Amino acid sequence: DAGVTQSPTHLIKTRGQHVTLRCSPISGHKSVSWYQQVLGQGPQFIFQYYEKEERGRGNFPDRFSARQFPNYSSELNVNALLLGDSALYLCASSFRDRYYEQYFGPGTRLTVT
Amino acid sequence: AQRVTQPEKLLSVFKGAPVELKCNYSYSGSPELFWYVQYSRQRLQLLLRHISRESIKGFTADLNKGETSFHLKKPFAQEEDSAMYYCALSGRGGGFKTIFGAGTRLFVKA
Repeated sequence: DAGVTQSPTHLIKTRGQHVTLRCSPISGHKSVSWYQQVLGQGPQFIFQYYEKEERGRGNFPDRFSARQFPNYSSELNVNALLLGDSALYLCASSFRDRYYEQYFGPGTRLTVT
Repeated sequence: AQRVTQPEKLLSVFKGAPVELKCNYSYSGSPELFWYVQYSRQRLQLLLRHISRESIKGFTADLNKGETSFHLKKPFAQEEDSAMYYCALSGRGGGFKTIFGAGTRLFVKA
């Protein structure tokens, strides 16, 4: 198993555009969480999904949305991009939705110009 | 408010010296506490969790509910311990979420 995979690795977008980030969890893991990490800060929780349902949401605007597919992979969507959305976006998978070890992907580096 | 505070951005110690990375939290309820580590050019990974009460790579952490702290300790630091360390808590409260601290960079000098 390659572990948690994320795509793309890097991307550059313009203010106002939309972006979709993708995550494939470790085989057998049913929970996916998304985090935003700005340089110099710890990961900030955006969403958690378990069995295709949203189980947790952080303090992010409605421009951020996500979903989980039947194969447990997940997408994070961000609309109307702002310069402040530039960050490393991390995906983590875990066996269940609570109190289990999270396995992190390498992240997607998003730059908004 | 739910919060994790790591007061030190950078901690520098000599090889063989004891090390303590501080973590304080604010949470109403019973959270699960974790330490994650990120070595250079590697992914963020779990180091230990309080419920396991185990020692990983010589590191231990004790949950002190009275002081709301979960400090990470190692009696003798090694150069390979140099990394970024994040304290995190998971729990319910407006939905299930995990909150990370800002991280402490540990640098172990030869």
